[in-house]
Amino acid sequence: GESVGLHLPTLSVQEGDNSIINCAYSNSASDYFIWYKQESGKGPQFIIDIRSNMDKRQGQRVTVLLNKTVKHLSLQIAATQPGDSAVYFCAEIFQGGKLIFGQGTELSVKP
Amino acid sequence: DTGVSQDPRHKITKRGQNVTFRCDPISEHNRLYWYRQTLGQGPEFLTYFQNEAQLEKSRLLSDRFSAERPKGSFSTLEIQRTEQGDSAMYLCASSRSPGRTGDAEAFFGQGTRLTVV
Repeated sequence: GESVGLHLPTLSVQEGDNSIINCAYSNSASDYFIWYKQESGKGPQFIIDIRSNMDKRQGQRVTVLLNKTVKHLSLQIAATQPGDSAVYFCAEIFQGGKLIFGQGTELSVKP
Repeated sequence: DTGVSQDPRHKITKRGQNVTFRCDPISEHNRLYWYRQTLGQGPEFLTYFQNEAQLEKSRLLSDRFSAERPKGSFSTLEIQRTEQGDSAMYLCASSRSPGRTGDAEAFFGQGTRLTVV
């Protein structure tokens, strides 16, 4: 079946450095992906999305890259701050808006 | 606060008891989703509604689980005869029907953490 997974379960970075979180997906027919941030005790929060007709999309301090050839997504966070510490999930949108989430990467930012 | 609201935030129940959770979506959103999340995992889709119609149910949703959205606004998720394996965070999300890019964005509530003892 379809699945979305992440390469690394944890990532520790120094404050001010850039962070890169990776995600692999298996459904080559997927055309819409979202990155969510989840802080402890809270629900997932939308960060940025990308459709399959794009290779790159930029937001405020975040960039998502999509490589359809190898079915890989990445989330880049520039100048990582302590407030960025959270678990990050990539998710694939299916018909009806249903989201299929990966396992998550826990980002820890050291001051 | 105009976000997705869930009640209660925490629920501890004894095995075998029934529990019911409530979700109030963002008012103009016609789609409502329920997810379950266990520790260290991503949320897993359970079911979703378009207005009052329940359009899809996951195989994870056993016959002990039932969800309703009677007037197309708030929704309830009931678990009958709870088991220890039901312990999880139950998340609700809402969205508009997908249209232009970005309209499909789902907004999540804070979740209801269920502990079955």
